[in-house]
Amino acid sequence: ETGVTQTPRHLVMGMTNKKSLKCEQHLGHNAMYWYKQSAKKPLELMFVYSLEERVENNSVPSRFSPECPNSSHLFLHLHTLQPEDSALYLCASSRTGRGDTQYFGPGTRLTVL
Amino acid sequence: ELKVEQNPLFLSMQEGKNYTIYCNYSTTSDRLYWYRQDPGKSLESLFVLLSNGAVKQEGRLMASLDTKARLSTLHITAAVHDLSATYFCAVGPFWGSEKLVFGKGTKLTVNP
Repeated sequence: ETGVTQTPRHLVMGMTNKKSLKCEQHLGHNAMYWYKQSAKKPLELMFVYSLEERVENNSVPSRFSPECPNSSHLFLHLHTLQPEDSALYLCASSRTGRGDTQYFGPGTRLTVL
Repeated sequence: ELKVEQNPLFLSMQEGKNYTIYCNYSTTSDRLYWYRQDPGKSLESLFVLLSNGAVKQEGRLMASLDTKARLSTLHITAAVHDLSATYFCAVGPFWGSEKLVFGKGTKLTVNP
């Protein structure tokens, strides 16, 4: 595998479920990101990790919980989501995080029923 | 609050024609990025513009940056169907933040 991979690609869940999104980067980068892409809204940054430390949390509700066990892996744990959380969730990575080009994964299309 | 505005948001053009997509932003930034997104796929980096007057070209696409006007343009020359996609500009990062702020995107459709 090369680049940034995400699993699953599609996820349907009920509001009471708990699920996790996984991202893996094979680029040797030190920074990883979670973005939310909703219809008719700009791409929104959710979390930034640099060298496995969370360096940014953009006012994201606590029902979204990120985890970065090492510089190659990033998770987004989901629980008690709302229908308005349905969106495409994109993971990205960059070499150092300070303005380096971000490389995006294919995304997970999430539907909350 | 930083705003990044793209226009037009939708663009339908014929093959062989030229057109320009505009990206205006409200706060001084170090860098400006252009990305392409095909339907159902992820964002692909096209250009990074680092300084005033920067111009980069790749195939039929050319991007430029005017930091004084806080404006970037993405010019399409002699469009072909393969260029149909959504194009995003993004600005950042900013002091104390890793954040990139994205525009809403311009959906380009090139018709035969």
